[in-house]
Amino acid sequence: QITLKESGPTLVKPTQTLTLTCTFSGFSVTTGVGVGWIRQPPGKALEWLALIYWNDDKRYSPSLRSRLIITKDTYKNQVVLTMTNMDPVDTATYYCAHRLQPLEYPAFDYWGQGTLVTVSS
Amino acid sequence: EIVLTQSPGTLSLSPGERATLSCRASQSVNSNYLAWYQQKPGQAPRLLIYAASSRATGIPDRFSGSGSGTDFTLTISRLEPEDFAVYYCQQDSTFGPGTKVDIK
Repeated sequence: QITLKESGPTLVKPTQTLTLTCTFSGFSVTTGVGVGWIRQPPGKALEWLALIYWNDDKRYSPSLRSRLIITKDTYKNQVVLTMTNMDPVDTATYYCAHRLQPLEYPAFDYWGQGTLVTVSS
Repeated sequence: EIVLTQSPGTLSLSPGERATLSCRASQSVNSNYLAWYQQKPGQAPRLLIYAASSRATGIPDRFSGSGSGTDFTLTISRLEPEDFAVYYCQQDSTFGPGTKVDIK
């Protein structure tokens, strides 16, 4: 059974750096696996942020690339997303999700419950 | 970068009716890359369809996807009470703005 859970601060100040951790079970970051981050501002649509593959290949949203870093810790079964220079417009629920296999289908089949991050001074 | 447009923005229907949701891409896309999700308030999205027409595990057969090129459709053949939600299409690293299906 695959599960994912996001953790991190619920409140950050403008200009600070946000670090979110996705802890998962039911799979390991082995061949053919990908884990991504998606966010959703309150009342708005989903926004794809970043994705990391088992081989450490990474993809980022073009509009946020300069602010994002995604890493993985295979032994801890965790994926970490760092976002710099946070702004109130970054207030959103942040989800991590498991990429559907095989990877030729870029969809997410398992999602965490999400964590709401508020950016405010 | 591909832009996805979903229509209508809101679809008001009654249980038992057929729902037809549209997702249009700004340029032709690989059908393998088109997915549909359902999201209910306070919940994470749920994968319904991937590769434009393949149902995800456990998804009822009243949900179907079709289309190619730039035009894709999600059809719910007969709306059940639990189907009233927001639906998003996704093409690789882009999500559409969503269609809300609410009760008429």
